[in-house]
Amino acid sequence: AQTVTQSQPEMSVQEAETVTLSCTYDTSESDYYLFWYKQPPSRQMILVIRQEAYKQQNATENRFSVNFQKAAKSFSLKISDSQLGDAAMYFCAYRRGHGGSQGNLIFGKGTKLSVKP
Amino acid sequence: EAGVAQSPRYKIIEKRQSVAFWCNPISGHATLYWYQQILGQGPKLLIQFQNNGVVDDSQLPKDRFSAERLKGVDSTLKIQPAKLEDSAVYLCASSFGQGPYGYTFGSGTRLTVV
Repeated sequence: AQTVTQSQPEMSVQEAETVTLSCTYDTSESDYYLFWYKQPPSRQMILVIRQEAYKQQNATENRFSVNFQKAAKSFSLKISDSQLGDAAMYFCAYRRGHGGSQGNLIFGKGTKLSVKP
Repeated sequence: EAGVAQSPRYKIIEKRQSVAFWCNPISGHATLYWYQQILGQGPKLLIQFQNNGVVDDSQLPKDRFSAERLKGVDSTLKIQPAKLEDSAVYLCASSFGQGPYGYTFGSGTRLTVV
């Protein structure tokens, strides 16, 4: 079974600084997708960034980028120029590459990010 | 585009009572998911629908939980009877197909069982 591990329950960053959130996963599949979701107090899960396992290039979305190390099964999220609005729970998630019953997301336990002004 | 609607937003019940949650997915989204998020943990899939058929309910505690998606649109998740350990946020999500894109979550229902 696939598992996702986030080893940092809480992280803190100064506004305008850079922070990296860690995620490792375990799978025997070769075709899969990885995601980082943000969950503010409103509880709605918001997609931050996604990575296709077959792509070697690391995904980037504005201030958010990932370091995808497929061999090491590591998928970290880097937030540059941190803003107060970035404060939230961040979840790493895995999804198998095929549809059907593999369509659901498997989440880690999350990392609570605080941003200090 | 309207988001995934869920109601109620909060619910407090006593153990052994029953409760129901409602979800209205994004129009045209064929796939609907219910997730349970216990405090301090990531969401865990309870059930996945494709139109009005069940794709995966392997983690649904069927002795007390039930879900339906009539006409392949709205969905209802029910718990009867509730236990203290059912206290959690129940998130609904929908997607156009079964691919990894266009996965949209609702704001969830926070259930407290006392």
